[in-house]
Amino acid sequence: GENVEQHPSTLSVQEGDSAVIKCTYSDSASNYFPWYKQELGKRPQLIIDIRSNVGEKKDQRIAVTLNKTAKHFSLHITETQPEDSAVYFCAAREGAPFGQGTTLQVKP
Amino acid sequence: GAGVSQSPSNKVTEKGKDVELRCDPISGHTALYWYRQSLGQGLEFLIYFQGNSAPDKSGLPSDRFSAERTGGSVSTLTIQRTQQEDSAVYLCASSTGLAGVADTQYFGPGTRLTVL
Repeated sequence: GENVEQHPSTLSVQEGDSAVIKCTYSDSASNYFPWYKQELGKRPQLIIDIRSNVGEKKDQRIAVTLNKTAKHFSLHITETQPEDSAVYFCAAREGAPFGQGTTLQVKP
Repeated sequence: GAGVSQSPSNKVTEKGKDVELRCDPISGHTALYWYRQSLGQGLEFLIYFQGNSAPDKSGLPSDRFSAERTGGSVSTLTIQRTQQEDSAVYLCASSTGLAGVADTQYFGPGTRLTVL
């Protein structure tokens, strides 16, 4: 089955800096790569996703890049703000498994 | 429109009792997922339904856990003879489930289970 590794487990940045979270996957047939954000005490919500026919997708301050050859994809958040503080989860298909999660703390 | 709903929102039970958790997916969504999230931990996959069938039960932790889905809509997760380690938030998610098209999962608010 699919195995997804996510790094780092925690990330602390200063407001305005960029944050990058990386995920690697094992199944070369994977073709859908979503990222979910979970704020404290709330449910996970999709923030961006990418399909295997593109290498990069942007939505305002967030972007996802995909390297199918190396089987890894990354979430990039630019100009971070305190409200970006949350736990971020990646996946390499619709549904499980998710990566272990990255706790992002943005310091004002 | 209405999102995914779960009930109860909180459940406190005594060790050894059985509990039943309910998930109401978004209308028309054929795919339904159950996850478990312990305090400060990640999303542990439990089971996936496509319609009323469960092609992937690989995540169920033990035979005390079972789930069913009827009418392609509501799903119930049953935990028999609860143990303290079952304490967690149980999250349900649904997606359109269209064949060959991966799609967004919409999560419910979760059921917080506490086993005393």
